[in-house]
Amino acid sequence: QLQLQQWGAGLLKPSETLSLTCAVSGGSLSGDYWRWFRQAPGKGLEWIGEFNHNGGANYNPSLESRVTISLDTSKKHLSLKMTSVTAADAAVYYCARASPGGWLIYWGQGTLVTVSS
Amino acid sequence: EIVLTQSPGTLSLSPGERATLSCRASESVSSRYFGWYQQKPGQAPRLLIYGSSYRATDIPDRFSGSGSGTDFTLTISRLEPEDFAVYYCQQYGFPPYSFGQGTKLEIK
Repeated sequence: QLQLQQWGAGLLKPSETLSLTCAVSGGSLSGDYWRWFRQAPGKGLEWIGEFNHNGGANYNPSLESRVTISLDTSKKHLSLKMTSVTAADAAVYYCARASPGGWLIYWGQGTLVTVSS
Repeated sequence: EIVLTQSPGTLSLSPGERATLSCRASESVSSRYFGWYQQKPGQAPRLLIYGSSYRATDIPDRFSGSGSGTDFTLTISRLEPEDFAVYYCQQYGFPPYSFGQGTKLEIK
């Protein structure tokens, strides 16, 4: 059974860099798509970006200039970095694995990120 | 970007009743790339329906999905106490992959 375990700094100051890691266990990294989402308090879900099975990354145009997603296959870690955070970036961040068809079965537990000076 | 609009925003029903949740897309979405998720407080979303009408593993058959083009529906035939949650629709065919704003299903 695939499991995704997330961690990263939960409290950031404005202008700092958000850095989250998602560790994959119980399954392979090959194929499929590895995605990051976020959910602001009381709001819906927003797609941040993905790392795909071709070794490339795609990003939400609204965040593309500040986001980097990478996949370390040796450690089985998916990473998210977002620069210059503001209060608008405060949210619960989730990693997830998309099936070849695109639906999301496996999710991390979520990481709450707060941005405050 | 494909915008998904869910209705109603809140649905108040009693256990045993039938729930019908709607999702309308701003442009046509292939049924292959449409799904529904359930989310309870403090938890990650859980996949219910993929490909518009296919139940995910271990999802009870009281959940069903239908629709095509721009209009999709999630139906829960007889509500159980554990079904009261927030439900999201999603299109995963065209990035940016988008979700609806959610329908909160609450106990009446």
